[in-house]
Formats: sequence, C-alpha cells, structure tokens
Amino acid sequence: SQTIHQWPATLVQPVGSPLSLECTVEGTSNPNLYWYRQAAGRGLQLLFYSVGIGQISSEVPQNLSASRPQDRQFILSSKKLLLSDSGFYLCAWSVPDTDTQYFGPGTRLTVL
Amino acid sequence: GQNIDQPTEMTATEGAIVQINCTYQTSGFNGLFWYQQHAGEAPTFLSYNVLDGLEEKGRFSSFLSRSKGYSYLLLKELQMKDSASYLCAVLADSWGKLQFGSGTQVVVTP
Repeated sequence: SQTIHQWPATLVQPVGSPLSLECTVEGTSNPNLYWYRQAAGRGLQLLFYSVGIGQISSEVPQNLSASRPQDRQFILSSKKLLLSDSGFYLCAWSVPDTDTQYFGPGTRLTVL
Repeated sequence: GQNIDQPTEMTATEGAIVQINCTYQTSGFNGLFWYQQHAGEAPTFLSYNVLDGLEEKGRFSSFLSRSKGYSYLLLKELQMKDSASYLCAVLADSWGKLQFGSGTQVVVTP
C-alpha cells in the first residue's frame, strides 16, 4: 500500500532563516505531487505541483520554491523566511490520470 | 475568478443528520471532492463526484448538480468523532489542481 511521509512534524524558525521541508511517497511510481499551505482558520492553498522529476509548476508568486530531485521525493524550500510563511504545510500525491489526492501528515511551521 | 463557498460552522446533536452545502464558480470543472480534517491533522478523503447525482458511502453521502454549481455532503447518524472541518474542493483542470473552500466546522454535541 502507498504511504506518504513528511518531516519535520513541527518547526519553529526565526525570520530570515532558510527552510527545507521534505516529503516522500512509498508504494507507487511516478506520482503527481503537490505542496499546499493552510494558514490558521483558512482553506488550503496550492503552492506547487509536479508531474515528474524536475518538473515543477508554481501556482502563486511567493517566497518559496520546490524541487523534485527523485521520483518520490518533493522538497519545499526558502532562502529567507517571512512571518507570513507561518502555516500548516501539506504534501499530497495522486496517481497520474486519476484525480484523488492523498495528504501527508503535514508540517506545522511557526516563523517568529 | 474562482469562488468556492461553504458555511463556516454548523452544530448538530449526536445521532442527528447534518447537510453541508457547497457552491462553486470556477473557470473549469472536472469533479468535486469532500475531505474531512480533524483539528491539527491532515485532510482525509471522503468522496468524489464527477457526474450529477448522489453518491452514498455508509453514513456519508455526497450530491452534485453541475448545472447549479452546487454540492452537499450529508452526514447521518452523527457521532462525536464526526466533529471536524469538512472541506469542499473543486478539480478545476486536468492537471489535478484542487481549489478548496475555507471549510465547514461541524460541532457534534451530546
């Protein structure tokens, strides 16, 4: 069966520091991968999606970037965090040509 | 623009039925999802409607009317564990990009 991992689970970082969040999927090949952010009391906002290694599409202009160095690995990064980057970051995967997305456990990021 | 609307909060009694409505206006439509999200946790998949009509899964049912841009999630025989946020999401294109509403917090009382 397929599983999705994210780490770390929680993170507290100072403004201006770098960020690296990792997501890996097991039990499937060539998944579509997605990064979402959920601000407190808000809906999920799609940040990036990827249909293959090295293929990244950005949905909103922001202080973040994403990379997919391996088939089942998706990384979210920032060079300098802003206060507004605080939130709950969720990685999701889907089987290509199917539509249901399954979410990882998430990383709660607090920028102080 | 893209707009997905659902009520902010609903309260119901254990054992009762609650219907959560979702209306949408999006540039494209390839299907509608409902997810459940408990506080502090990730969303979990509940249902997917791509054609008009009712889909039933145990205590949960979901309805879609594409012509009206409307869906609802019906929760029957409410249990305390059903207290959660319920997210309506529209698949607006063929790339698998979901657009989410802000969620409806359902509070189940004894």
